[in-house]
Amino acid sequence: QKEVEQDPGPLSVPEGAIVSLNCTYSNSAFQYFMWYRQYSRKGPELLMYTYSSGNKEDGRFTAQVDKSSKYISLFIRDSQPSDSATYLCAMGGYNKLIFGAGTRLAVHP
Amino acid sequence: DADVTQTPRNRITKTGKRIMLECSQTKGHDRMYWYRQDPGLGLRLIYYSFDVKDINKGEISDGYSVSRQAQAKFSLSLESAIPNQTALYFCATSDPNSRGRDNEQFFGPGTRLTVL
Repeated sequence: QKEVEQDPGPLSVPEGAIVSLNCTYSNSAFQYFMWYRQYSRKGPELLMYTYSSGNKEDGRFTAQVDKSSKYISLFIRDSQPSDSATYLCAMGGYNKLIFGAGTRLAVHP
Repeated sequence: DADVTQTPRNRITKTGKRIMLECSQTKGHDRMYWYRQDPGLGLRLIYYSFDVKDINKGEISDGYSVSRQAQAKFSLSLESAIPNQTALYFCATSDPNSRGRDNEQFFGPGTRLTVL
């Protein structure tokens, strides 16, 4: 079993939709939880960062962590075509991160 | 602007050839990483280095070697390339002393390697 599981999609939604992306994990020692966004032919860039259970909001993006269920989510409100990218969850401790497989999202006008 | 750069951006080579991928950074970070990305498998750690004198194997180090020539430079070598090493390779850096975003990693643009 992988330490981090993420559905690779692809996910296709119309502009304006609410998008929900999810990851599950097995290692209860993970302390940091992140979402990276990767555009085609680019390196991943950090989108959201949290180290506690609960919700964190930044504009149209909300990251949710449930440590008791070992489950994290990223919600995108009012999705835009510019949100079309691959979204990777990442989690770990002080020394290294474990990445999910990435979910490819396409937002069509 | 402080950045992570990788050379070459694309490379096609033949089985058995020795290949070196190079990474340079101007962020002043001590920690550097090499990952490979394959469809459906995400990013997998090959090697990482926490300072110039420190080299550590990652999840999939077999068939690869690295050299940390300076704080700013970290190279990945494939001693004898094989077709299943065809992948997208990323270098990343991090600063363990950053406030509020410990362990955030900054990625280069990637090198697309094809082994025929």
